[in-house]
Amino acid sequence: DTEVTQTPKHLVMGMTNKKSLKCEQHMGHRAMYWYKQKAKKPPELMFVYSYEKLSINESVPSRFSPECPNSSLLNLHLHALQPEDSALYLCASSQKGAGGYGYTFGSGTRLTVV
Amino acid sequence: TQLLEQSPQFLSIQEGENLTVYCNSSSVFSSLQWYRQEPGEGPVLLVTVVTGGEVKKLKRLTFQFGDARKDSSLHITAAQPGDTGLYLCAGAALYNQGGKLIFGQGTELSVKP
Repeated sequence: DTEVTQTPKHLVMGMTNKKSLKCEQHMGHRAMYWYKQKAKKPPELMFVYSYEKLSINESVPSRFSPECPNSSLLNLHLHALQPEDSALYLCASSQKGAGGYGYTFGSGTRLTVV
Repeated sequence: TQLLEQSPQFLSIQEGENLTVYCNSSSVFSSLQWYRQEPGEGPVLLVTVVTGGEVKKLKRLTFQFGDARKDSSLHITAAQPGDTGLYLCAGAALYNQGGKLIFGQGTELSVKP
């Protein structure tokens, strides 16, 4: 299995809703990432988990809350989002916490906040 | 702060033409990767270059890492409409920062039949 699976593929939520994005990989990768991407722009790093521990938080607002229940799963909990948070949210994984090996990205969750 | 400057940002060409995309930095990277992304999908890793001066070929795509490991290029020969997409270069910091990659701004390539 050489994939990163993200669910849901599309999500529309109101500004008072609570929702979660899910990401799963079975490649034995020990680093997992959340990225946010606006149209035609490069991905922007949000969080890095290395060996199930949060190692980087790129000053992301607290309305985004990551969770890594085990080495294969990564969640992103969303609460009280703003319309400007609408974007493609990408999960990625890499070997041993070293980005130099290259990331495997999921297909993303297209989030629309209304 | 390490930056990667990618150029051009937009490229529209006819099928059969050749093109080159550049990524430049004043910083040294331990490795550099190229990704291709189609609309509504995540980026897909095309290649990783590690050694200064390294050249890798993937069918009609040729990737080069500069001798000083500060720059890289992607050359596509005889472009086809299927090459259309967003091309991203990304560098891994010389001293590992938890797997963080530095992304270039991307090149939006459109190949017209």
